[in-house]
Amino acid sequence: GQNIDQPTEMTATEGAIVQINCTYQTSGFNGLFWYQQHAGEAPTFLSYNVLDGLEEKGRFSSFLSRSKGYSYLLLKELQMKDSASYLCAVRDWDRGSTLGRLYFGRGTQLTVWP
Amino acid sequence: DADVTQTPRNRITKTGKRIMLECSQTKGHDRMYWYRQDPGLGLQLIYYSFDVKDINKGEISDGYSVSRQAQAKFSLSLESAIPNQTALYFCATSDSASGGPTDTQYFGPGTRLTVL
Repeated sequence: GQNIDQPTEMTATEGAIVQINCTYQTSGFNGLFWYQQHAGEAPTFLSYNVLDGLEEKGRFSSFLSRSKGYSYLLLKELQMKDSASYLCAVRDWDRGSTLGRLYFGRGTQLTVWP
Repeated sequence: DADVTQTPRNRITKTGKRIMLECSQTKGHDRMYWYRQDPGLGLQLIYYSFDVKDINKGEISDGYSVSRQAQAKFSLSLESAIPNQTALYFCATSDSASGGPTDTQYFGPGTRLTVL
């Protein structure tokens, strides 16, 4: 099975940096995704890691260590609009599939204060 | 126009009723998914389809059925709705042949279902 763990809630102030951690256990790891979800809205894709290291995309960066089963999402220069839930999702090999399906963590609710 | 659409966006129904949630996409993706989301819980996979002739159960398929009418359409049915099926339901699509971060899932706007 898959165990994906991330903190339930985090708070930070505008302009600050926040790091959201995600740990996972899978039988056949094939990539890790981060999604952002505002309340009542659809999740939207933020980042993807399949190899170890840091992927940077503007104010957002995502890091992966496959040997440690660990990832983090780093948000810089926080803005009020960054208040949302951040979902860590791991792709695992699936029967008969070359790619696999996603397993989602419960999400980390980030609140950004002025 | 949105790439992934869901109808209805909101639905209130009574216990025992049969209802259908519909999902359509114009992205040309081959894979489609149905998830439910409950407060404080992550997205749970109900069913997924890797192409028109391929349907697979997810983690919580009991009480649900699906139909992949065409590559662009994937419907979710609740045969006899019960109150604990009250949740936010999302459809998603992905493209197994895409470049870049392959098989990234793109979500529809969601359907809020209430079963009384």
